[in-house]
Amino acid sequence: EIVMTQSPATLSVSPGERATLSCRASQSVSSNLAWYQQKPGQAPRLLIYGASTRATGIPARFSGSGSGTEFTLTISSLQSEDFAVYYCQQYNNWPPSITFGQGTRLEIK
Amino acid sequence: QVQLVESGGGVVQPGRSLRLSCAASGFTFSSYGMHWVRQAPGKGLEWVAVIWYDGSNKYYADSVKGRFTISRDNSKNTLYLQMNSLRAEDTAVYYCARDLAAGGLEWLLLNWGKGTTVTVSS
Repeated sequence: EIVMTQSPATLSVSPGERATLSCRASQSVSSNLAWYQQKPGQAPRLLIYGASTRATGIPARFSGSGSGTEFTLTISSLQSEDFAVYYCQQYNNWPPSITFGQGTRLEIK
Repeated sequence: QVQLVESGGGVVQPGRSLRLSCAASGFTFSSYGMHWVRQAPGKGLEWVAVIWYDGSNKYYADSVKGRFTISRDNSKNTLYLQMNSLRAEDTAVYYCARDLAAGGLEWLLLNWGKGTTVTVSS
């Protein structure tokens, strides 16, 4: 099973600043990496897939990069609505499964 | 717009069974793969199972394999999760989610329901 490890567990950033979240896979997942945002009491929302493709309606301040085992989600200028928990997800084709990272909580500094 | 509404959650004793449903609307249900994902209280996301758009293939997380069964009724636009031999560690909010791609499977969770809560406790 592929293990996804996110860092840091909690990130404190001021509004308007840049946030950089990391995700590492225990083995290569190529570019089969997605990012989700989850706010308290809500379902997750797909932000990024294919490591760097924004989902429909996702603002341009969200960007993803990386391939293989190292990935990054960058939020260029934090807005108040961006403070949430972020999960990375790998979607390796075999064995067919999805695994998530443990999440990074992005909080207001 | 796409709407997914889960139901069937509740409090159940260990070892008992429960069936969750997910009513879909706003899209051609029979064209999309569907997933179940769960989230234990205060914890992260755990993928549970997937079913192909036509029900031809199903895959499960190791943690539920042999106990849970995913199914769908495309005539009723409804997804199901039959949960047997429930354990305390199955306590979670269960979400159904639609895959990104029509006619295939991208293993990406584009649309989510609000979830239904399952509590396994004696």
